Amino acid sequence: GQNIDQPTEMTATEGAIVQINCTYQTSGFNGLFWYQQHAGEAPTFLSYNVLDGLEEKGRFSSFLSRSKGYSYLLLKELQMKDSASYLCAVTGTYKYIFGTGTRLKVLA
Amino acid sequence: ETGVTQTPRHLVMGMTNKKSLKCEQHLGHNAMYWYKQSAKKPLELMFVYSLEERVENNSVPSRFSPECPNSSHLFLHLHTLQPEDSALYLCASSPTATSGNYNEQFFGPGTRLTVL
Repeated sequence: GQNIDQPTEMTATEGAIVQINCTYQTSGFNGLFWYQQHAGEAPTFLSYNVLDGLEEKGRFSSFLSRSKGYSYLLLKELQMKDSASYLCAVTGTYKYIFGTGTRLKVLA
Repeated sequence: ETGVTQTPRHLVMGMTNKKSLKCEQHLGHNAMYWYKQSAKKPLELMFVYSLEERVENNSVPSRFSPECPNSSHLFLHLHTLQPEDSALYLCASSPTATSGNYNEQFFGPGTRLTVL
């Protein structure tokens, strides 16, 4: 079957580091995306991993281990504006399968 | 306008009504998508169009009928919906329909649909 698991909610403090995990089981794999979605808004692209390892982009980094079916999104120097839902999506041919998303609350 | 636009932003309809959702992308992309987002559920892919041809239909009930007249426009025609169809309907586009290769999706703001 196909399944993606993410924690439902996380809370962290402004300035801290938070890691959001995503585990997946899919038939066919063409890469893994992370999207950010603020309440009432459209999801926006954050990162893409297709090979194992860490991709760094400013304060955000994303890691992938294909053998373990595992990815994480690392957010550094948290800001209040980072409070949002973070969606993990695994892709196969024509298919994008999303997790339920992790709602992150950043506290002052 | 730029990016992906959707109209209307909010829609309330009865179960016997017929309505249509519209999506337009100004990015020159060849693929367009319809998603359903319900509370506490994953984003569900409904339909995928590549160069106006439907390439994916994820077992969506026939009361949802998509239409893609050209690569810039996508419609979702709704008829005899049920209350459980109330959700946020998101449109997205990407350069191609084949996933991977940094083929990120650009989402519209969505239509919040309420079925009474």
